[in-house]
Amino acid sequence: DAKTTQPNSMESNEEEPVHLPCNHSTISGTDYIHWYRQLPSQGPEYVIHGLTSNVNNRMASLAIAEDRKSSTLILHRATLRDAAVYYCIQTIDFGNEKLTFGTGTRLTIIP
Amino acid sequence: DTEVTQTPKHLVMGMTNKKSLKCEQHMGHRAMYWYKQKAKKPPELMFVYSYEKLSINESVPSRFSPECPNSSLLNLHLHALQPEDSALYLCASSPRVTSGSHEQFFGPGTRLTVL
Repeated sequence: DAKTTQPNSMESNEEEPVHLPCNHSTISGTDYIHWYRQLPSQGPEYVIHGLTSNVNNRMASLAIAEDRKSSTLILHRATLRDAAVYYCIQTIDFGNEKLTFGTGTRLTIIP
Repeated sequence: DTEVTQTPKHLVMGMTNKKSLKCEQHMGHRAMYWYKQKAKKPPELMFVYSYEKLSINESVPSRFSPECPNSSLLNLHLHALQPEDSALYLCASSPRVTSGSHEQFFGPGTRLTVL
């Protein structure tokens, strides 16, 4: 299974941008990068995904390196409600959507 | 309706009991999933159903038996579980299982305790 590596934990101040890094050095040309987050006592929630180009949506931005071996999830203005475990997942695109969750980054927001 | 619902929220069962977990979605999704999540660990995939047929079984013990009676419902039947099976069981759905580009929608989970 494809593995990603992320820092175990990060802290950020409220109302400041947050950059969450992820390494996916074994990625192949058709693999997508997905980000999910899991708030306390909830199921995971989709955040964003991308293939090659940078992506933006209402929740976050995803910056993918040119060689695609790493990516960064950007929360533009962190709020206390963004405190969660953030999972970076490399999905294998050969006919199934198997999400293999890594250990994730626990993000703490400091008021 | 963009929600995946799971019942019950909490379940306590003995090792000789038989119980079922239920999951429902009304988004017209044709792929549904069961994940298991132990405390402070990431979710682990157990089963994938595609168009009501089992497409992936991640070597899960036979005491866990999935069932997909129709495109909106997914059950997980439990029998003769062990205390180490205590975990949060998450259900998810996605439009279909043909591409790595689709997001999965997760339910809130059922917290299972086996005594």
